[in-house]
Amino acid sequence: GDSVTQMEGPVTLSEEAFLTINCTYTATGYPSLFWYVQYPGEGLQLLLKATKADDKGSNKGFEATYRKETTSFHLEKGSVQVSDSAVYFCALSVRDSNYQLIWGAGTKLIIKP
Amino acid sequence: DAGVIQSPRHEVTEMGQEVTLRCKPISGHNSLFWYRQTMMRGLELLIYFNNNVPIDDSGMPEDRFSAKMPNASFSTLKIQPSEPRDSAVYFCASSLGDSMDTQYFGPGTRLTVL
Repeated sequence: GDSVTQMEGPVTLSEEAFLTINCTYTATGYPSLFWYVQYPGEGLQLLLKATKADDKGSNKGFEATYRKETTSFHLEKGSVQVSDSAVYFCALSVRDSNYQLIWGAGTKLIIKP
Repeated sequence: DAGVIQSPRHEVTEMGQEVTLRCKPISGHNSLFWYRQTMMRGLELLIYFNNNVPIDDSGMPEDRFSAKMPNASFSTLKIQPSEPRDSAVYFCASSLGDSMDTQYFGPGTRLTVL
């Protein structure tokens, strides 16, 4: 079945460091891919998405490129801030998937000043 | 523009009591999702409604859990009787209804069953 695998956390970085959170997927159709972020005590919110191969989603300095050949959607940011500390979820949605998102386990990111 | 509204934000109850969680989706959205989040199991989809009709309830853990959506602007998730293992954060989310659409999450209800 369809699935999403994320790197385990927590990931701890210093402020201004480069961030990569790996996400790979398995899907039978042609998925759309998403990154959601959950700040402490809040619900999840969409960070970025990409709907077809080679698309790049970007928001708030974060980027992720839909790589069909490697079935990946890695999240990157060039210079992280303390305010980026949160849990990041990778997810996929396949057309005709009954409108459900398939979620990764989440990766906790801790940024130290 | 109001987002997804959930109530209560926190609920503490004793084992065996009935618990009702409430959700108001974003106006105009026709899909609604109930999720449960725990440290052990992560984020789990419990049930999904489309146009007020339950489409997939395969994630509902057992008969103690039930969900309704009597109209487009209101949904409830009920647990009766509650057990300590039901302690979790319960999220409601809504979307326009296409599988490619963004899901908008509420702030969650933190349930503690003693």
